[in-house]
Amino acid sequence: AQSVTQLGSHVSVSEGALVLLRCNYSSSVPPYLFWYVQYPNQGLQLLLKYTSAATLVKGINGFEAEFKKSETSFHLTKPSAHMSDAAEYFCAVTGGISNTGNQFYFGTGTSLTVIP
Amino acid sequence: KAGVTQTPRYLIKTRGQQVTLSCSPISGHRSVSWYQQTPGQGLQFLFEYFSETQRNKGNFPGRFSGRQFSNSRSEMNVSTLELGDSALYLCASSGGGPYNEQFFGPGTRLTVL
Repeated sequence: AQSVTQLGSHVSVSEGALVLLRCNYSSSVPPYLFWYVQYPNQGLQLLLKYTSAATLVKGINGFEAEFKKSETSFHLTKPSAHMSDAAEYFCAVTGGISNTGNQFYFGTGTSLTVIP
Repeated sequence: KAGVTQTPRYLIKTRGQQVTLSCSPISGHRSVSWYQQTPGQGLQFLFEYFSETQRNKGNFPGRFSGRQFSNSRSEMNVSTLELGDSALYLCASSGGGPYNEQFFGPGTRLTVL
């Protein structure tokens, strides 16, 4: 079975401060991991994905995430928060071979607030 | 390439009615997945269709059903609506391979009164 756990349903940071959103995964097979962002009244937009090619993954809007197998983590970071980063962030895992199809498992989401 | 489109964007129904939501995937994508999003439950997987066949199913009652057409467009139907069905329903399309990312539509906001 696969799952992801996002620690912290709400995170607040000051504008210009480091953003750190936590995600831990559970998977019996090498996982593919994703971060999505959702702005109010919109669908989810892919930020970045880990596909085993490189442990440090760079995404859009200055975000990046590092895959750490020993910690089963895939935390999302951004060096300097911008007001436009305020949104809901979702971590997701899919495991391919053990799956039938393309089923994703999403975390419960982390709401990011940026304080001016 | 056009993105995933969902119609309608907003819907208001009353308890007991039924509703059909539509999703048009990105051109060439054969997999369509449906999710229910609510503030309390987050993203809940409903089902996935691939080449007109349901390939995966979440833990929802039989009132929730779907289908996929030969052009990969998908519909989701909810019968005998309940107040708790009020949610944002999201559709996502992908190439269908086990590691493909999913691309999401803007969602349909369903309100049940």
